[in-house]
Amino acid sequence: EDQVTQSPEALRLQEGESSSLNCSYTVSGLRGLFWYRQDPGKGPEFLFTLYSAGEEKEKERLKATLTKKESFLHITAPKPEDSATYLCAVHGGSYIPTFGRGTSLIVHP
Amino acid sequence: DGGITQSPKYLFRKEGQNVTLSCEQNLNHDAMYWYRQDPGQGLRLIYYSQIVNDFQKGDIAEGYSVSREKKESFPLTVTSAQKNPTAFYLCASSGRDTEAFFGQGTRLTVV
Repeated sequence: EDQVTQSPEALRLQEGESSSLNCSYTVSGLRGLFWYRQDPGKGPEFLFTLYSAGEEKEKERLKATLTKKESFLHITAPKPEDSATYLCAVHGGSYIPTFGRGTSLIVHP
Repeated sequence: DGGITQSPKYLFRKEGQNVTLSCEQNLNHDAMYWYRQDPGQGLRLIYYSQIVNDFQKGDIAEGYSVSREKKESFPLTVTSAQKNPTAFYLCASSGRDTEAFFGQGTRLTVV
């Protein structure tokens, strides 16, 4: 059974204070690891896909990395508008995405 | 514009009543999913469909039913057998091994 664990559950940062979110996974045959952003009361929005260990993707202040056991979402010099819940999901052999519980990020001005 | 549409945005259910949540996509995706999200919880899979006229139970299917008569549509019925239906419901679709596209969600409340 595919499993995804995200940590921390909640993270409070000051504007400009860089940090990282963790997504640990166990999956039978990784077919893709996905990061999403979810704002309150809305559906998740896609951020990144990572397919193999060593792969990295960047978008503005966000950078996602992947190893064989975990993925990190690095947030550099965050702004208040980066406040959201960040979800990680994996596709394994079943082709059904398995989601973690998410990390709730609050960035204070 | 391509996308996935859920309706209604808010829904109120009386005790013992069945209600149906709509989900439509025009992304030509084969796979569609229904998730339930409770406060502080992640996304829990209710049902999924990988092809028209076929669907499978997810982790929390009890008290729910679905149909997939058309590729574009995957409605979810919350039956009276679901004893704790108050939650945020999300529909999604995806291609094979690609990211999921989500609707904006339906917030269901029991009154």
